Amino acid sequence: QSALTQPPSASGSPGQSVTISCTGTSSDVGGYNYVSWYQQHPGKAPKLMIYEVSKRPSGVPDRFSGSKSGNTASLTVSGLQAEDEADYYCSSYAGSNTYVFGTGTKVTVL
Amino acid sequence: EVQLLESGGGLVQPGGSLRLSCAASGFTFSNYAMSWVRQAPGKGLEWVSTISTSGGVTYYADSVKGRFTISRDNSKNTLYLQMNSLRAEDTAIYYCTKRWNYYFDYWGQGTLVTVSS
Repeated sequence: QSALTQPPSASGSPGQSVTISCTGTSSDVGGYNYVSWYQQHPGKAPKLMIYEVSKRPSGVPDRFSGSKSGNTASLTVSGLQAEDEADYYCSSYAGSNTYVFGTGTKVTVL
Repeated sequence: EVQLLESGGGLVQPGGSLRLSCAASGFTFSNYAMSWVRQAPGKGLEWVSTISTSGGVTYYADSVKGRFTISRDNSKNTLYLQMNSLRAEDTAIYYCTKRWNYYFDYWGQGTLVTVSS
């Protein structure tokens, strides 16, 4: 149950796009289309932003999009806004009713 | 509105025990699997445990297997986590989460567990 690998940080100016990668193995990210992404502001609980690789829950802006290729999933935030500054974590189903999270990426809006 | 309210966190000595509770409201509790996810100070998220709708099936991360026990009382809309043989590395904020399919769609605000002498 090793953590999925994410870059520690990413940044962009308002209006720009930022993409965060999430690399796992064929036993988790590559083996299932059950990748999700969570946004966490400082001192707050995580919030589900993307599920099933690319689907958005109701209320999540369409500026947030997800994709997957092989063992790597990605989250793209387009049209960056100040409120998008937060930590982002990917997660994947890893079989046998277990789950693994990513190492987390801090997104900074310059 | 879905609400998950954790309680029971605190300071405990290594080797000690603690029981966390999570009071759920705003949804039909008995229809959903529930999970605990933790976050060590300044660190990332770690899935800890999941329990089925009836409570009859449970799953654990290797890091807590044999020491933690997840349970639920559907008559009280409450989720529990009994933590025994606690270690310093169990220090974390523990989040109660509602599991929807293969995701965690609602999270409580968390309760802090500190294991220290």
